[in-house]
Amino acid sequence: DADVTQTPRNRITKTGKRIMLECSQTKGHDRMYWYRQDPGLGLRLIYYSFDVKDINKGEISDGYSVSRQAQAKFSLSLESAIPNQTALYFCATSDSWTSRGRNEQFFGPGTRLTVL
Amino acid sequence: QKEVEQNSGPLSVPEGAIASLNCTYSDRVSQSFFWYRQYSGKSPELIMSIYSNGDKEDGRFTAQLNKASQYVSLLIRDSQPSDSATYLCAVERDNDMRFGAGTRLTVKP
Repeated sequence: DADVTQTPRNRITKTGKRIMLECSQTKGHDRMYWYRQDPGLGLRLIYYSFDVKDINKGEISDGYSVSRQAQAKFSLSLESAIPNQTALYFCATSDSWTSRGRNEQFFGPGTRLTVL
Repeated sequence: QKEVEQNSGPLSVPEGAIASLNCTYSDRVSQSFFWYRQYSGKSPELIMSIYSNGDKEDGRFTAQLNKASQYVSLLIRDSQPSDSATYLCAVERDNDMRFGAGTRLTVKP
């Protein structure tokens, strides 16, 4: 979805390095999410944010941190990357105002991260 | 037991047939249910959402929900080769979204 962008699209890094993945959206949505996708495991929620001052842990938050710099920007950081964090990472957004609690999410194009 | 289970497939159907995708979930108080389509190398795309028992139709797609049986399904009528993708079932409770591993569907011309 062109309304949700992720940078970088691909990244190769080494064990122990700090890395930040960025997500921006022009949809005007208030809620933003970070997921990782691994073969055979599906998508798993890492963190989510309902507004700039709200950050919540998801299913697999260990080893990750996030920052909601503005309503439109949500960043995911790996403070010290390890090989099992190699995965496809997706940012998603949803709108609590018009959806009346229906958490229909819209995904960015993904970032493929490889940790050597 | 996985929280959201789908047949891993692959599921193969001929063009024009009905494709049936199934999903079961373990949390009885789940509130919202979604089907996403994901083409190879692309991001998931929402195609159906359903919140109450019964059927919901949108074009060639029908979602069916049975909360008593903890079962949600997606039917694709008149399947087209362009429907070939992985279909992800997602189940939500209190803003916590859980996804199945997906079922790969191939529609053969």
